[in-house]
Amino acid sequence: EVQLVESGGGLVQPGGSLRLSCAASGFTFDDYAMHWVRQTPGRGLEWVSGISWKSGSIAYADSVKGRFTISRDNVKNSFYLQMNSLSPEDTALYYCAKDAGGGWSRFDYWGLGTLVTVSS
Amino acid sequence: DIQMTQSPSSLSAFVGDRVTITCRASQDISNYLAWYQQKPGKVPRLLIYAASTLQSGVPSRFSGSGSGTDFTLTISSLQPEDVATYYCQRYNIAPLTFGGGTKVQIK
Repeated sequence: EVQLVESGGGLVQPGGSLRLSCAASGFTFDDYAMHWVRQTPGRGLEWVSGISWKSGSIAYADSVKGRFTISRDNVKNSFYLQMNSLSPEDTALYYCAKDAGGGWSRFDYWGLGTLVTVSS
Repeated sequence: DIQMTQSPSSLSAFVGDRVTITCRASQDISNYLAWYQQKPGKVPRLLIYAASTLQSGVPSRFSGSGSGTDFTLTISSLQPEDVATYYCQRYNIAPLTFGGGTKVQIK
């Protein structure tokens, strides 16, 4: 059974940093691209970043480019989102999602999400 | 970047009604389109990919069509358990943009 478990969310002040983690199990992790997607009540779903199966391709939404960094550890079956220079607009529920292929495809499994709140 | 526009943003229909949701891409995306269902308080679920291919386990009352810039998601006979927000998403090339969502409710 595929499982994706996010961690690392919390309350952080504007300008601060957080590192999100997603632990994966139930599939051959290094065969698949992985993604971060965030959701706020007023803005629906927003794709944040993706990393291909061997980290050869990485992409970011314009809204986070230069502030967020995605990475993966295929030995630990985990991937990460380092978030710097956080602003209140980054407040959201952050989901990790499994790509159906090695690169940019549909998302066939999702974690339950980890909540990030940016506030003073 | 390609924009994805869904309409309507919300709709209300009777149980048994045929429901259609539209998604329009600002540029040609071929058939690289997925539809997701998100029930209240739940995680998004993949319904359809490649514009018209039903994901395993999804009821056959759901169907998708379209290519290029115009796509539709159809629920042939709306059921109470279909109350949810539906999102389209383009993929294949980043950014993997979602539409704004369509909230479906029962009258």
